[in-house]
Amino acid sequence: GNSVTQMEGPVTLSEEAFLTINCTYTATGYPSLFWYVQYPGEGLQLLLKATKADDKGSNKGFEATYRKETTSFHLEKGSVQVSDSAVYFCALGSNDYKLSFGAGTTVTVRA
Amino acid sequence: DVKVTQSSRYLVKRTGEKVFLECVQDMDHENMFWYRQDPGLGLRLIYFSYDVKMKEKGDIPEGYSVSREKKERFSLILESASTNQTSMYLCASSSHQRSGTDTQYFGPGTRLTVL
Repeated sequence: GNSVTQMEGPVTLSEEAFLTINCTYTATGYPSLFWYVQYPGEGLQLLLKATKADDKGSNKGFEATYRKETTSFHLEKGSVQVSDSAVYFCALGSNDYKLSFGAGTTVTVRA
Repeated sequence: DVKVTQSSRYLVKRTGEKVFLECVQDMDHENMFWYRQDPGLGLRLIYFSYDVKMKEKGDIPEGYSVSREKKERFSLILESASTNQTSMYLCASSSHQRSGTDTQYFGPGTRLTVL
């Protein structure tokens, strides 16, 4: 079946540091890939997505590229801010209604 | 702006009680979902509904039931709450496309504690 494995946290960074969170997946067919973010005390919200191989999703300075050859969708940001402190979830969508989520990575950015 | 609301942010119940968690969306979405979120496990799907009065089991339906009498409202029911159902419960909705590209919109969550 479909599954997502993402880098375990927690991750602690200083402001303006480079952030990368690894995500790999197992799926049949041609899934879509997502990054969701959960800020403290809130529900999840979509950060970015990519629907086919080699697509790059981007939003709020974050980027991720759908790499079919390495079955990966790593999240990156060049210069993080304190406001980026959150839990980040990688997710995979297949040809039904459902999403498969990774375990989540907690990121803390210190001033 | 899209909106998914959940009836309570925090709830404390006793073992054996019947618990209702309510979710309402104002986006006219066909699909609605209930997940539970536990540390280290991510989100796991309990039930989903793709139309009024329709429901399908997710990955962990045991101990739960759902009700969808109106398009905008999706309820999760714990018939007899147990301590291992202490968790964060998240509701989500998405549009009618049966497609893996569909974005799901989430409510703020209900943190349920069963004593």
